[in-house]
Amino acid sequence: DSGVTQTPKHLITATGQRVTLRCSPRSGDLSVYWYQQSLDQGLQFLIQYYNGEERAKGNILERFSAQQFPDLHSELNLSSLELGDSALYFCASSSTTLDTQYFGPGTRLTVL
Amino acid sequence: GNSVTQMEGPVTLSEEAFLTINCTYTATGYPSLFWYVQYPGEGLQLLLKATKADDKGSNKGFEATYRKETTSFHLEKGSVQVSDSAVYFCALSDGDGNKLVFGAGTILRVKS
Repeated sequence: DSGVTQTPKHLITATGQRVTLRCSPRSGDLSVYWYQQSLDQGLQFLIQYYNGEERAKGNILERFSAQQFPDLHSELNLSSLELGDSALYFCASSSTTLDTQYFGPGTRLTVL
Repeated sequence: GNSVTQMEGPVTLSEEAFLTINCTYTATGYPSLFWYVQYPGEGLQLLLKATKADDKGSNKGFEATYRKETTSFHLEKGSVQVSDSAVYFCALSDGDGNKLVFGAGTILRVKS
């Protein structure tokens, strides 16, 4: 158990819908990262927050957004969902931006 | 940009066989290097890491050495077990914010 929690574990929804994925980092970790794992793209970095501020952005679609709250949990919002958004979404956390990242169990999103 | 290349799988071995999974990288600067493991139905777990040239990371019988001259970080284990069956990802930390760049992953199957 890495100490990073993600909810929900599974999410099934329809095209065009909007969903929110939640991540709670390990106690004391200030940095949160979001990654997408899909069969065709592999594991890709989406976005990073550090102590509430966006720190780095990767291959994140404009339909996707994220934020980190004062209690340091983070949410990833996915809107206007398409079939191709079906994937495993992982959250990871680290104590600073230079430390090892620890991953949560992931949220499996299925778009029908 | 920075990238990681792993040997393609699946790799199928008998129990107690020697394991090597090749990983090479392209990067500017001096990234940290990681091996993560993903067991069926689970999230990513850090297996080992190395932060500078000639460092050797080790954990649970697995080893990898950071070779700057060959830009490699090959994973080895002297005697694999059925329980080692999983997907192994090589990764490097990339730039500001320390996001991870992953290889495509290598499936390892160990037969008894």
